[in-house]
Amino acid sequence: AQKVTQAQTEISVVEKEDVTLDCVYETRDTTYYLFWYKQPPSGELVFLIRRNSFDEQNEISGRYSWNFQKSTSSFNFTITASQVVDSAVYFCALSGNSGGYQKVTFGTGTKLQVIP
Amino acid sequence: DAGVIQSPRHEVTEMGQEVTLRCKPISGHNSLFWYRQTMMRGLELLIYFNNNVPIDDSGMPEDRFSAKMPNASFSTLKIQPSEPRDSAVYFCASQGEEQFFGPGTRLTVL
Repeated sequence: AQKVTQAQTEISVVEKEDVTLDCVYETRDTTYYLFWYKQPPSGELVFLIRRNSFDEQNEISGRYSWNFQKSTSSFNFTITASQVVDSAVYFCALSGNSGGYQKVTFGTGTKLQVIP
Repeated sequence: DAGVIQSPRHEVTEMGQEVTLRCKPISGHNSLFWYRQTMMRGLELLIYFNNNVPIDDSGMPEDRFSAKMPNASFSTLKIQPSEPRDSAVYFCASQGEEQFFGPGTRLTVL
């Protein structure tokens, strides 16, 4: 069985602060993928990143960075110098190979509010 | 590519009516997913197709829900008869290397 836990339901930060969104996952698969999605108030789901379970290198994309640690089954997401436009719900997801096909499990999401 | 296309974007109907949601995946993607999002239950996977074949429909809530994918460029999710508790945003997503979501259909059943 797969499980994704985003323990932080809501986070509020003041603009320009750094913020880290936590994601902990469970899977029995040896090969899997981890994702982050952003859902702004407009409602669409925007793909941010996909990480292969064999690639533990951290990734940086502008103000976004991701820390993947297999030892702790975590895939945390950090926004540096947060901006009001970062206000959204962020979902972490896991895609494993269950029974020969990919099954995607989403966390419950973390609502981030960036206060100007 | 225009991304994943869903129609209609909004649907308001009365209880008991049939509702059909439509999805056009990204060309070349082999997998298609239907999700439902509500405040109470978050994002739920309803059904997953691979190469137009339904692989996992364990998330389909009950027999009132059915989904088809007659070809690689089109899928439908049908609810018959609809009930107020079906009110939600329904997302279609297609997957190649990444999973991309459509804009969603906001369904309100009165």
